Amino acid sequence: EIVLTQSPGTLSLSPGEGATLSCRASQSISSNLLAWYQQKPGQAPRLLIAGASSRATGIPDRFSGSGSGTDFTLTISRLEPEDFAVYYCQQYTGSPPLTFGGGTKVEIK
Amino acid sequence: EVQLVESGGGLVRPGGPLRLSCAASGFTFNNYAMNWVRQAPGKGLQWVSSIGSISQYIYYADSVKDRFIVSRDNAKNSLYLQMNGLRVEDTAIYYCARGFYFDLWGQGTLVTVSP
Repeated sequence: EIVLTQSPGTLSLSPGEGATLSCRASQSISSNLLAWYQQKPGQAPRLLIAGASSRATGIPDRFSGSGSGTDFTLTISRLEPEDFAVYYCQQYTGSPPLTFGGGTKVEIK
Repeated sequence: EVQLVESGGGLVRPGGPLRLSCAASGFTFNNYAMNWVRQAPGKGLQWVSSIGSISQYIYYADSVKDRFIVSRDNAKNSLYLQMNGLRVEDTAIYYCARGFYFDLWGQGTLVTVSP
């Protein structure tokens, strides 16, 4: 099983600041089959990034994903008020179990 | 409109069964693998099960294996999760999600398992 560890657990930032979220895998993720999701309270998750770096349809370009192997990063260049939420990484290599990281909460400082 | 709509959640006693449904619309359902993901109150996301586009593969998380059964009816554009032997720890919002990476999610249905 691939274990995904997200850090930090909570990020306290102000609107306009940049955010860097980390996702580390316990073993190499083949073909960079890693996704990032955003979840706001009371809502379903929303896909932001697939394939480690490809933005999903309609996702603003202030969101970017990078990384390979075991270390991946989600960067939000300038936080907008609507970006304060919980972010999850997930690997979808196809070999079960598919796993999610524990999440990073981005909160308003 | 492209959407997934779950139904069938509710309150059930431990050991009881429940069947969840997920109705798909606005896209070619039989082109996509489908998945169930759950989220316990105040917790993170947990993958539950996946099924191939024509049911050519089925996978389960260890925590639900031998208790839950996933299925789909492509003629009805529907995904199902038959849950048997429910436990208190199965209490969660259950989401259906589309594809290998989950690019479309339903709004979720709440399953509460309580004595």
